[in-house]
Amino acid sequence: AQKVTQAQTEISVVEKEDVTLDCVYETRDTTYYLFWYKQPPSGELVFLIRRNSFDEQNEISGRYSWNFQKSTSSFNFTITASQVVDSAVYFCALVYDKIIFGKGTRLHILP
Amino acid sequence: DADVTQTPRNRITKTGKRIMLECSQTKGHDRMYWYRQDPGLGLRLIYYSFDVKDINKGEISDGYSVSRQAQAKFSLSLESAIPNQTALYFCATSQSYGDSYGYTFGSGTRLTVV
Repeated sequence: AQKVTQAQTEISVVEKEDVTLDCVYETRDTTYYLFWYKQPPSGELVFLIRRNSFDEQNEISGRYSWNFQKSTSSFNFTITASQVVDSAVYFCALVYDKIIFGKGTRLHILP
Repeated sequence: DADVTQTPRNRITKTGKRIMLECSQTKGHDRMYWYRQDPGLGLRLIYYSFDVKDINKGEISDGYSVSRQAQAKFSLSLESAIPNQTALYFCATSQSYGDSYGYTFGSGTRLTVV
C-alpha cells in the first residue's frame, strides 16, 4: 500500500530557529516521486520541491533544504533561520499514478 | 488568469441540496483530480480522470459524482449535500506521471453545508 506519514501534527518554534519536518513514506514501486507543498493561511497549495526515486541528492534552496534517504524511506524538510512568513501547513506527498498526501504538519513560527 | 480555476470560491448550501463545483484549466493537461481537505486529515482523493473517457474513483467517492466535459473541464457534484461534506475542495491537474513541476492546484472551494 502507498502511504505517507507526517508524524508531527503541529510544531512551534521561535523565529530564527531551525526546524525539520519529517516525512516517511511507504511504496512498493521502484519508480516514484515525492513532493513537498506549503499551504499558507490563505489556503492555496504552493509547490516547493519534487524528487524522483532515483535521485537521492539533497537539495538546498535558500533557507530550505531537503534530505531524501531511500534506506529509511524518508524525505525530510528543514527550514533554517525560520521566519514568521514560514508559518503554514506543510504537506509531503507521494506520487505514482496519482498523488497521495500526508496529513500535514502545522508550523507556527513565533516572533 | 490562473492555470486552474475553481468556481465558486466559497459556497454555503443547505442539507439535501444538489451542488456542483467546477474546475477549468488552461494547462493543456490530460489528468485532472478532485481532492477534499479536512483539518488534520490532509488531502484525500475523491475522483480522478486521466482523459475525457477515463473516470476513476478515489478513496472517498461516496456521495460524490464527477463529469469530464472536455479536456479542460472537470466538475464535481454533490447530489444531496450533507453537513460532513463541509470541507475545502481542490481541483488539480498534471500532464503525466510525476509531472516535473508538481501538480497544479486550483485555489480551492470552501464549501459549507448547513
